[in-house]
Amino acid sequence: EAGVAQSPRYKIIEKRQSVAFWCNPISGHATLYWYQQILGQGPKLLIQFQNNGVVDDSQLPKDRFSAERLKGVDSTLKIQPAKLEDSAVYLCASSFIWTGMNTEAFFGQGTRLTVV
Amino acid sequence: GQSLEQPSEVTAVEGAIVQINCTYQTSGFYGLSWYQQHDGGAPTFLSYNALDGLEETGRFSSFLSRSDSYGYLLLQELQMKDSASYFCAVRDTGGFKTIFGAGTRLFVKA
Repeated sequence: EAGVAQSPRYKIIEKRQSVAFWCNPISGHATLYWYQQILGQGPKLLIQFQNNGVVDDSQLPKDRFSAERLKGVDSTLKIQPAKLEDSAVYLCASSFIWTGMNTEAFFGQGTRLTVV
Repeated sequence: GQSLEQPSEVTAVEGAIVQINCTYQTSGFYGLSWYQQHDGGAPTFLSYNALDGLEETGRFSSFLSRSDSYGYLLLQELQMKDSASYFCAVRDTGGFKTIFGAGTRLFVKA
């Protein structure tokens, strides 16, 4: 079974520039998450999709971050313009629609963003 | 608000047993998960508790007490490869949102 695919793996940009990350979840997974993980901290949920609808985006800085999930499959996360504090690893994860005890989320390898 | 507390670091020797605690305060609760993350790697799922009690999976066990808003991850027969960060995560009511703790860095010494 193919895992969650993310690209690029690494990105270095200057502050005020724009950047986009791509995620392809595991086939059949209706739920897709974007997390931001700053070095030494736990993953922080930015946005969660159920199919192509947003379930939660309460911690997404909407003045600069945007995300979409076209056709309920692939997703892109964009930052425009980037700030120094956006330097982090951006993790995409997916899971089945929750039913019963099936709660495992599968994570991609992440995109390490450095803003200079 | 929602918060999860876990120790920042734990050190243990190879072959020993270590327990990583997690206390949580959330507006709703459905279950407690544990994830392992090696440096530079992705978090990987270890266990999930929705009901009180102990869940065992090989060398790893996880415990939950809903009345105490408390859980722990127990790692037995520690190996060097267990050196990693361990995160507890709470799934909120309705099962739609998973909030992660700050993580516990485990160092296993020879």
